[in-house]
Amino acid sequence: AQTVTQSQPEMSVQEAETVTLSCTYDTSESDYYLFWYKQPPSRQMILVIRQEAYKQQNATENRFSVNFQKAAKSFSLKISDSQLGDAAMYFCAYRSAYSGGGADGLTFGKGTHLIIQP
Amino acid sequence: KAGVTQTPRYLIKTRGQQVTLSCSPISGHRSVSWYQQTPGQGLQFLFEYFSETQRNKGNFPGRFSGRQFSNSRSEMNVSTLELGDSALYLCASSYGQETYGYTFGSGTRLTVV
Repeated sequence: AQTVTQSQPEMSVQEAETVTLSCTYDTSESDYYLFWYKQPPSRQMILVIRQEAYKQQNATENRFSVNFQKAAKSFSLKISDSQLGDAAMYFCAYRSAYSGGGADGLTFGKGTHLIIQP
Repeated sequence: KAGVTQTPRYLIKTRGQQVTLSCSPISGHRSVSWYQQTPGQGLQFLFEYFSETQRNKGNFPGRFSGRQFSNSRSEMNVSTLELGDSALYLCASSYGQETYGYTFGSGTRLTVV
């Protein structure tokens, strides 16, 4: 079974600064998808960014970018120019590319609570 | 475009009762999956449906079941509720191609007393 580890339970950053959230995962598969989700107090999980394992190019969405290191099984999220609205729980998630056959949907890490200091 | 709608938003049940939660996916999405979120265990996968067929199932007891209707709406049922079933239950929908990611609803907060 796959596992996802987020080693930082909480991170704090000054507004307008840059912060990097860490995520490592363990899998024996070669084809999979990785996601970062944001969960504000409203509870709704919001997709921040996604990465396909067979693409070497790191995904970028505006102020959000990832550093995907497949060999190291690392998938960190960088948030540039942090804004107050970025404050939330951030979850790293893994999804096998192989549907059915016991695949376990999304496997989530425990999350990182991001605090933005004004 | 309406998002993923989960009803009800809050629910209080007594131990031993059963409960049914509902999820309406985004129009056109054919895959619906369910997750349980608790402070202790985090987010755990319950099951996933695609075109009315259960495609995957997580490691939960048989008290947890679900189904998907022809219009892609899904329900999950928990029978013989236990205190430990208290959690936020999240539903997510997608086209069925995982590469596009999942869109989540705001969840149903279930409290078992």
